[in-house]
Amino acid sequence: DAGVIQSPRHEVTEMGQEVTLRCKPISGHDYLFWYRQTMMRGLELLIYFNNNVPIDDSGMPEDRFSAKMPNASFSTLKIQPSEPRDSAVYFCASSLSGVGEAFFGQGTRLTVV
Amino acid sequence: AQSVTQLGSHVSVSEGALVLLRCNYSSSVPPYLFWYVQYPNQGLQLLLKYTSAATLVKGINGFEAEFKKSETSFHLTKPSAHMSDAAEYFCVVSDQDDMRFGAGTRLTVKP
Repeated sequence: DAGVIQSPRHEVTEMGQEVTLRCKPISGHDYLFWYRQTMMRGLELLIYFNNNVPIDDSGMPEDRFSAKMPNASFSTLKIQPSEPRDSAVYFCASSLSGVGEAFFGQGTRLTVV
Repeated sequence: AQSVTQLGSHVSVSEGALVLLRCNYSSSVPPYLFWYVQYPNQGLQLLLKYTSAATLVKGINGFEAEFKKSETSFHLTKPSAHMSDAAEYFCVVSDQDDMRFGAGTRLTVKP
């Protein structure tokens, strides 16, 4: 397996634009996590899915953020409208179980100008 | 609810010296504990994990961690630091459906 695949690796966008981040988890993994990493706040869990169903989205900062998992092999994290304070590295991770090892993608570095 | 605290956001050691990164956790159920490492501009990768089989866990790159229930600790150690160990290290506690990351400790290795 190629591991968790995220796209794009880098995204630069203007304030107010919609941004969509994509993630392909490892085949067979039932859990998918979205994290955001910044210097100020460290690594934050935004949302996670179990069998494509959102379980805990309490980490989503505000309504501008939304995440979907239409099937077991694809998830998106959307920010609309984007703001400069959303600039961060966004990681997607997947695991076989909630207590198992999580495999991380390489991350998407988002810059909102 | 569970949480994890990493003591010291930055640790600096000399090459060849002992590495000790501290982690304390709280959990209402027997926890699963992990250490992840993040090298610059990369994603996180698993260093080692504790799943109740043995209290002393050996991981990759010569790292190990000891689970001490009485102290609710899971400190990460390596006898001799190498320049390539410079990275950020995250302690993670997990129960049935939730993984919680510590704030991270950035390790610097001086020549």
